Amino acid sequence: DAKTTQPNSMESNEEEPVHLPCNHSTISGTDYIHWYRQLPSQGPEYVIHGLTSNVNNRMASLAIAEDRKSSTLILHRATLRDAAVYYCILRDPLMGAGSYQLTFGKGTKLSVIP
Amino acid sequence: DTAVSQTPKYLVTQMGNDKSIKCEQNLGHDTMYWYKQDSKKFLKIMFSYNNKELIINETVPNRFSPKSPDKAHLNLHINSLELGDSAVYFCASSQAVNYGYTFGSGTRLTVV
Repeated sequence: DAKTTQPNSMESNEEEPVHLPCNHSTISGTDYIHWYRQLPSQGPEYVIHGLTSNVNNRMASLAIAEDRKSSTLILHRATLRDAAVYYCILRDPLMGAGSYQLTFGKGTKLSVIP
Repeated sequence: DTAVSQTPKYLVTQMGNDKSIKCEQNLGHDTMYWYKQDSKKFLKIMFSYNNKELIINETVPNRFSPKSPDKAHLNLHINSLELGDSAVYFCASSQAVNYGYTFGSGTRLTVV
């Protein structure tokens, strides 16, 4: 699997936007960019995914660089409940069943300050 | 209704015992997974399984075995438990055409 690089930790003030960066310079043309988060004492939770175009959903926005070598997860207004570890993962759906396995890195631990 | 449910939530057992963790999903997904999260919080894939193919992470000891009685269930059997097996185990499911995974809430296994 192509690797991603994320900062170990970030802080944000409550109700302010948060931009979580991810570098994936070895991304292939068919890799989708996925984001998951894991709240304390819970299982990982799907946040968003995209291929080339920016994506929005009720949880977040995903901004993908034109060359696709980096992406940014945007939380528009951070709340205390957004404090979690955020994982950026590449996934190629065109490979065999094994490629559906999500490979988690260390992620970014987001702290939200009241 | 819980989409992916695991039982038990907590499991404390002695070394050498054999135990099982159950997982059920009601999402109609065709692929299920087991992940292990160790004390350092790294999440590692153990198995992925659909009705066609079992993919085993080569680093998983053969004391661990997945059992799937049907498409909605993937149980994890562990033989001869060791101290190093202590971790949180997560079950997950996905649909081939929907790339989002849904995870269970985890089973915290403690081997004493």
